[in-house]
Amino acid sequence: EAAVTQSPRNKVAVTGGKVTLSCNQTNNHNNMYWYRQDTGHGLRLIHYSYGAGSTEKGDIPDGYKASRPSQENFSLILELATPSQTSVYFCASGELGGRVEQYFGPGTRLTVL
Amino acid sequence: GDSVTQTEGLVTLTKGLPVMLNCTYQTTYSPFLFWYVQHLNEAPKLLLKSSTDNKRTEHQGFYATLHKSSSSFHLQKSSVQLSDSALYFCALSEWDNSAGNKLTFGIGTRVLVRP
Repeated sequence: EAAVTQSPRNKVAVTGGKVTLSCNQTNNHNNMYWYRQDTGHGLRLIHYSYGAGSTEKGDIPDGYKASRPSQENFSLILELATPSQTSVYFCASGELGGRVEQYFGPGTRLTVL
Repeated sequence: GDSVTQTEGLVTLTKGLPVMLNCTYQTTYSPFLFWYVQHLNEAPKLLLKSSTDNKRTEHQGFYATLHKSSSSFHLQKSSVQLSDSALYFCALSEWDNSAGNKLTFGIGTRVLVRP
């Protein structure tokens, strides 16, 4: 069974503060992804990576940075958090190659006050 | 760019009845479609997938057929159970040579099954 974990599971941050969301996968997958989930928008891709040291912008990257220091870990960084970034964030991993399943973590609920 | 449309935001029905969730897509590539299911406070999980035109694919009582002529991949089940209450996402794979696999999701359809 694929295993993707996220930490923290819940986070309350203040406007202007820095937030780091962490993701770890034990699947040895090359690809990793960060999504946010909002009612009426579904899952939207923020950043993704296809290996250690690489990060790519997704569909909604503004206000977010990503870091992939190793095959297993992929972080999402909000340098200056804003209330509009209040959301549920999901990390996912997938094998290199096209048309393959993505495995999702349990999600992080972030509230920015 | 690619897009996925799910027209129903909420579907409420009684246990034992059939359900169909609509999914249509737009892409310039050869389509590869997925259905993911997300139960309350859980992660999305793959339900089924297909890239074969006019072939029915099934899993856990759910089934869908990709129809390239109408750009559709509707999800169906003959008899819903209480445990089918969840959020269902249709997703389209975009082959990106640099990333290998990007998914475009629809906004989701919430299914609520009543006793």
